[in-house]
Amino acid sequence: EAGVTQFPSHSVIEKGQTVTLRCDPISGHDNLYWYRRVMGKEIKFLLHFVKESKQDESGMPNNRFLAERTGGTYSTLKVQPAELEDSGVYFCASSQEGGWYEQFFGPGTRLTVL
Amino acid sequence: KQEVTQIPAALSVPEGENLVLNCSFTDSAIYNLQWFRQDPGKGLTSLLLIQSSQREQTSGRLNASLDKSSGRSTLYIAASQPGDSATYLCAGPTDSWGKLQFGAGTQVVVTP
Repeated sequence: EAGVTQFPSHSVIEKGQTVTLRCDPISGHDNLYWYRRVMGKEIKFLLHFVKESKQDESGMPNNRFLAERTGGTYSTLKVQPAELEDSGVYFCASSQEGGWYEQFFGPGTRLTVL
Repeated sequence: KQEVTQIPAALSVPEGENLVLNCSFTDSAIYNLQWFRQDPGKGLTSLLLIQSSQREQTSGRLNASLDKSSGRSTLYIAASQPGDSATYLCAGPTDSWGKLQFGAGTQVVVTP
C-alpha cells in the first residue's frame, strides 16, 4: 500500500511568486490534514479536509493560502503571493477516520522563499 | 487548549542503554497520543498510537505509556542502537477531528 506522497520535495521561489504544493493521501483515507513547521518552531496545524470539504481551516495563516481537495482525492495548497515568512516544511497527513485514528504523514515539501 | 511539552530537548546515550522520552499534555480529556520519529530531512514516521482507554502500547523494542490523570506519556526504547538516533515527537489531538498539537521534540543521539 502506497503511503502519503507530496510533490515537490523542495521548492525555491522568490518573494511575490506563486507556489502550489500537492499531497496524495493514502487511498481510501477521507481525512487529509496539512501542517507546517517553520524554522525553530513546532509543527503547527493548518487545515483539515473530510473528503472534499474543509472541516477546519483555523490554522491557515492568512488569505494568501488557498487549499483545495478536488473530488476528495489529492489536495493542493497554493501560496500566492509568497512571503519570506512562508518558508518552512509543509507536511500532509491522512487518516481513515477522525480524531481516534492514526495519522500517516508524507515526507514534506521544503519551501524556501527568497 | 491542548499544550504539549517534551523534555529534554536533546539526549545523548551510549549504545545499549535504555531510552526514556517524556511528553506532557495539559488537557486530560485527550483522545489519543501519537509518537513519531523524524530523521533529518525526512517526514514523520508513526511509531505508536495510544488510545485514551489504553495505558500502554508496545511494538518491538518500543513501549509507550499514557497516564491521563497526570498528563504524561513516556516512550521507552530498550537497548538503544545507533539507528535509533533521530528526533522523537509526541502529538495529541485537540478535538475529535484529529487536529494534532505537537511537542517540540526530543533529539536523540545514540553513540556506538
